[in-house]
Amino acid sequence: DAGITQSPRHKVTETGTPVTLRCHQTENHRYMYWYRQDPGHGLRLIHYSYGVKDTDKGEVSDGYSVSRSKTEDFLLTLESATSSQTSVYFCAISVQREGEEFFGPGTRLTVL
Amino acid sequence: AQTVTQSQPEMSVQEAETVTLSCTYDTSESNYYLFWYKQPPSRQMILVIRQEAYKQQNATENRFSVNFQKAAKSFSLKISDSQLGDTAMYFCAFQGAQKLVFGQGTRLTINP
Repeated sequence: DAGITQSPRHKVTETGTPVTLRCHQTENHRYMYWYRQDPGHGLRLIHYSYGVKDTDKGEVSDGYSVSRSKTEDFLLTLESATSSQTSVYFCAISVQREGEEFFGPGTRLTVL
Repeated sequence: AQTVTQSQPEMSVQEAETVTLSCTYDTSESNYYLFWYKQPPSRQMILVIRQEAYKQQNATENRFSVNFQKAAKSFSLKISDSQLGDTAMYFCAFQGAQKLVFGQGTRLTINP
């Protein structure tokens, strides 16, 4: 168990509403990531962070923003949720830039 | 950009049999990592095995082993003496200079 929690675990919201997902780690690792998982696509990187206040875009960043004000927390925000953002969202952490990543339990988000 | 291809969307075998999951990738990099992740119905992403490209020896973890063919850019996973608990989605992943890139996944079912 890599000490990663995500909240909420499930959320249903309506189109146009803002949504924030939280990832919390107890490992004090530098690198944190947000992915989305959709059928037929595997996992795709949304945003990642390499330190407090240091973030960068991934493959599918449009419509998402992130913030990291503390080492242990990495927030993913959907400013105005759309139905295409219905997905399962995973947070991950890693000790180094290269090497395996350890995943949180996931958040299932449904946008109606 | 790197791509990872898993050509077998679904596989099914009997308990105690050996099964091999295929993965190919495309890259021009010489130093990289390869991973197999398992995702059981619980949705948790679990690291099964890792392989560093500079190592010629194939990685092994108990019943799980890989056949890494660097020239062919192939990275298959062999599960020996399969168990009911091996039923899951299996994802192949590549990590080079960029972030982790996942294949589309193979759904493996172990039948009693």
